[in-house]
Formats: sequence, C-alpha cells, structure tokens
Amino acid sequence: GAVVSQHPSRVICKSGTSVKIECRSLDFQATTMFWYRQFPKQSLMLMATSNEGSKATYEQGVEKDKFLINHASLTLSTLTVTSAHPEDSSFYICSATDLRAAYEQYFGPGTRLTVT
Amino acid sequence: GDSVTQMEGPVTLSEEAFLTINCTYTATGYPSLFWYVQYPGEGLQLLLKATKADDKGSNKGFEATYRKETTSFHLEKGSVQVSDSAVYFCALLMNSGYSTLTFGKGTMLLVSP
Repeated sequence: GAVVSQHPSRVICKSGTSVKIECRSLDFQATTMFWYRQFPKQSLMLMATSNEGSKATYEQGVEKDKFLINHASLTLSTLTVTSAHPEDSSFYICSATDLRAAYEQYFGPGTRLTVT
Repeated sequence: GDSVTQMEGPVTLSEEAFLTINCTYTATGYPSLFWYVQYPGEGLQLLLKATKADDKGSNKGFEATYRKETTSFHLEKGSVQVSDSAVYFCALLMNSGYSTLTFGKGTMLLVSP
C-alpha cells in the first residue's frame, strides 16, 4: 500500500513551453502533497506544500506564477512549469501524506524535466 | 530551526564490509527520524524509521537507533552488497500537524565487488 505515482517519468520540452507533471496517490487519500526539486548530487529542496481544495503554500524563493500547483482531489496534484527555460531542468519529486498516518510521507518516483 | 547533518560522501566500500553513515539532528522538540534511499534515476524510498528515543528502525539488514542524548540516528549495515549502492538521506519530521520533512544533504554509497 501507500503507492505514489508520477507522470511522466521523463519529459523534454522546448524553451518557452509549459509542462504539466501529475502526482497521484494510488491506494490512499492524500490530504497533503509536497513538491520537491532535486539538483544533481544535491538534496531535495521543498518547493511547495499543497492541501486538497486550497492554495499551495510556496517556500521562500519559489515563484508561484512559474510553478503552478493544483490539488483538486484527494488523489491528484499537478505541478505546471510555465514558460520553461533550461535552468528549470531538474528532477521533480512529489510526496503525499496519508490521512491515516498523518506524519509519514510517501514519495513518487520522480520526473526528469529537460528544457532545450 | 530544525536541521539534519550527515556525513559527506561518497563512501566507498568493498562488498561485505561494515557500513556506518553518521546522522545528527537539531530540533526544538521530539521528531520522528527517517532514512530514505535513492537509487540512480529514481525517487526516494523509505528505508527505516524511528518515532521516539531508543527506538531502533531496521529493514533489509540496515539498522539505526534513535539516540536522544547524542541527537543521532546513525545508519549501519553489517555486510553491504553491490546492490546497496545508492544515495542515503537522513530526515526528521516534527510530530505536530502536517509538518514538512527536513532532509540532510545525502550520502552516496558506492560498493564494489
């Protein structure tokens, strides 16, 4: 149980286009989902926390107009990178918190974004 | 604020060697502690956890004991395998509401045959 999926696993897009990444909790309801960004050989940087049905809370330094987060249901959150540029190339990982185990986070497999 | 410090890597070992990856933390309360593992090109997988002092988390031959007196949660394995090569992250989570995980910087482990 407690499986989180991400789609796509890899995406290559051209500079200036937008890319949407989906994060789904497959077998549990997630009241809270988290989006992280990981640079090569570095730790995870929390970008934002999203609660179902409300606006996401962004960490300092993260542009909310560039990284649009929607958490429309208890099983789906999306991250849209708008007007992507090469510096947005990164590994994006989501995690979700189970209602029954409020403090534990379950991680998705990650999405590798490459902007050319 | 809360923070996690873990030893810098890479840690390079031969197969069947003993592994220790140090992790210490700073927190205002009593956090839960976690070790996550990340294999190349993949997301994070929970390896083990401990929710209170003196708890020992264990999984797949890995162990870590929550030591409040030394604020540590060192990861150990008696005999590593090549397949254990990965990046290991120590993390803490404050047990108060839906708080966020605080990660260490990660330690790369490389095991050679």
